[in-house]
Amino acid sequence: GQQVMQIPQYQHVQEGEDFTTYCNSSTTLSNIQWYKQRPGGHPVFLIQLVKSGEVKKQKRLTFQFGEAKKNSSLHITATQTTDVGTYFCAGEGRASGGSYIPTFGRGTSLIVHP
Amino acid sequence: DVKVTQSSRYLVKRTGEKVFLECVQDMDHENMFWYRQDPGLGLRLIYFSYDVKMKEKGDIPEGYSVSREKKERFSLILESASTNQTSMYLCASSPGTSGIGTDTQYFGPGTRLTVL
Repeated sequence: GQQVMQIPQYQHVQEGEDFTTYCNSSTTLSNIQWYKQRPGGHPVFLIQLVKSGEVKKQKRLTFQFGEAKKNSSLHITATQTTDVGTYFCAGEGRASGGSYIPTFGRGTSLIVHP
Repeated sequence: DVKVTQSSRYLVKRTGEKVFLECVQDMDHENMFWYRQDPGLGLRLIYFSYDVKMKEKGDIPEGYSVSREKKERFSLILESASTNQTSMYLCASSPGTSGIGTDTQYFGPGTRLTVL
């Protein structure tokens, strides 16, 4: 099936440092969604980006959708220990049988050292 | 708030057993999904359903089947469990207000299945 690539797989930061995770698709996406999964928890929806070049902010989190709608990023300013978790992007992909399906990146695990 | 519940948080089964994982959502969502989550591999879609009695294969359907007899309930069945099916299984639902691949998803707490 179609892939949504996400990097890095892991990121260690000191508390107070910034963090960025990147998501790339080989095809144009209708939209992109970001989810956060806390350790031991389940993915929780954070935000959806729809428009080319769109930028949205949630407190210290900034989400961007590329002009070509093929890439996206999540940037966290001044990380806190509460930011620990795995961040996933999700876009529309195609299953091997041809159906349109949600396709998740492999996630970036953020580890914040106090 | 949308609530998606799964029948068990932890499950231990033996190789060859038939395993049923149940998922229920309470928000009248059209679409329901089953994923497995393994370290380093992210979330991989097993099957999804866009209507009662309708199902479609995701990326990794082999070894699994599903059933959706009622709108709120979506079951994942392992006909003959194998050790390589040891994983975290996550159920999700989405409203159906936009396409299957673009709708916001709401996840259940997950079932950690161990097959011995």
